[in-house]
Amino acid sequence: AQTVTQSQPEMSVQEAETVTLSCTYDTSESNYYLFWYKQPPSRQMILVIRQEAYKQQNATENRFSVNFQKAAKSFSLKISDSQLGDTAMYFCAFMKHVPSGTSYGKLTFGQGTILTVHP
Amino acid sequence: DGGITQSPKYLFRKEGQNVTLSCEQNLNHDAMYWYRQDPGQGLRLIYYSQIVNDFQKGDIAEGYSVSREKKESFPLTVTSAQKNPTAFYLCASSVGAGAKLAKNIQYFGAGTRLSVL
Repeated sequence: AQTVTQSQPEMSVQEAETVTLSCTYDTSESNYYLFWYKQPPSRQMILVIRQEAYKQQNATENRFSVNFQKAAKSFSLKISDSQLGDTAMYFCAFMKHVPSGTSYGKLTFGQGTILTVHP
Repeated sequence: DGGITQSPKYLFRKEGQNVTLSCEQNLNHDAMYWYRQDPGQGLRLIYYSQIVNDFQKGDIAEGYSVSREKKESFPLTVTSAQKNPTAFYLCASSVGAGAKLAKNIQYFGAGTRLSVL
């Protein structure tokens, strides 16, 4: 079974600064996917960024980037130029590779990190 | 606009009562999921469905039931057997087997908050 651990229950950052959220996972799988989801106060879960384990290059999406260390089973999220709208709970999630012909992919979530951006 | 609609936003259950949470999607996705969110525990999978008329138990299915009679609908019933139903419930969907990477992305509804009276 896979486990995902987010060791930082809460983080805070000043507007325009950079913050890094940590995530580690445990799996025996070699092919998988990692995700960061954001849950703002509205409670709507929004995909922030995803990473395929077979790709060595770290994924980036505008101000969001990841540091994927496969050997260390670490998947941290860096938010640059933090904005007030980044205030949310952030979840790291793991999914095993979904074979062709199968539509289901089970997400295993971490406990979440509450990020507060201060003006 | 395409998306996932959950209703109601808030729901109250009396002891011994079954209640049903609605989830509808117009994304033409094959797979649908129900998650439960408790404080400090992240999201846990209750049930999932890959296609119409098929569904499987997730990690915490006891006390819950589902149906998948239509592709766009995946209602969740919280039965009286679920002794601790107070939680936030999230429905999600993802594209079908024909897609490539995109089938790994799950899109979520806005959730239903269930409380016990």
